[in-house]
Amino acid sequence: QKEVEQNSGPLSVPEGAIASLNCTYSDRGSQSFFWYRQYSGKSPELIMSIYSNGDKEDGRFTAQLNKASQYVSLLIRDSQPSDSATYLCAGRGFYFGSGTKLNVKP
Amino acid sequence: GAGVSQSPSNKVTEKGKDVELRCDPISGHTALYWYRQSLGQGLEFLIYFQGNSAPDKSGLPSDRFSAERTGGSVSTLTIQRTQQEDSAVYLCASSPSGTSGYNEQFFGPGTRLTVL
Repeated sequence: QKEVEQNSGPLSVPEGAIASLNCTYSDRGSQSFFWYRQYSGKSPELIMSIYSNGDKEDGRFTAQLNKASQYVSLLIRDSQPSDSATYLCAGRGFYFGSGTKLNVKP
Repeated sequence: GAGVSQSPSNKVTEKGKDVELRCDPISGHTALYWYRQSLGQGLEFLIYFQGNSAPDKSGLPSDRFSAERTGGSVSTLTIQRTQQEDSAVYLCASSPSGTSGYNEQFFGPGTRLTVL
């Protein structure tokens, strides 16, 4: 079992909708989680980090961590075509999910 | 401030040749990671350096791959006797702390390696 798992998608949402991206992890000892965005042909960039149970909001992005259920999610409100990218979930260390491709349709 | 830099940005080589890829991490970052990403695929961990500790080489795919980090800063990834399956984008990342801490990683632009 991979440490971090994501649905590869693609996830298609219309412009203005909420995009919900999910990630599950196997290591119960993990304390920190990160979401990275990777545009096609570019390197990943960090967009959110979360260290405690509950929600963390930053602009249109909300990260959610549920340690009991071992999942992490990223909500993108008012999705824009510019949000179209692959979103990578990562736990501690160097374990990344395989990424979920998001397509926001105008 | 300056981000992570990598050089060269592109490298085309012939099968069997050796290549060296360079990474300059963000100043003060103690942790440095190398990843490989093939077209349309996820990140494949290669090697991790943390301070002066012995590197974690568990992700290196074969003994043709090696890496070093001099003075706790610049790192070089060397691939000997390159094969066509080595063609990929090689990404370097640095982090203020290692895997035991809150290790947000900052990525360089990558080196695209093509082995003919």
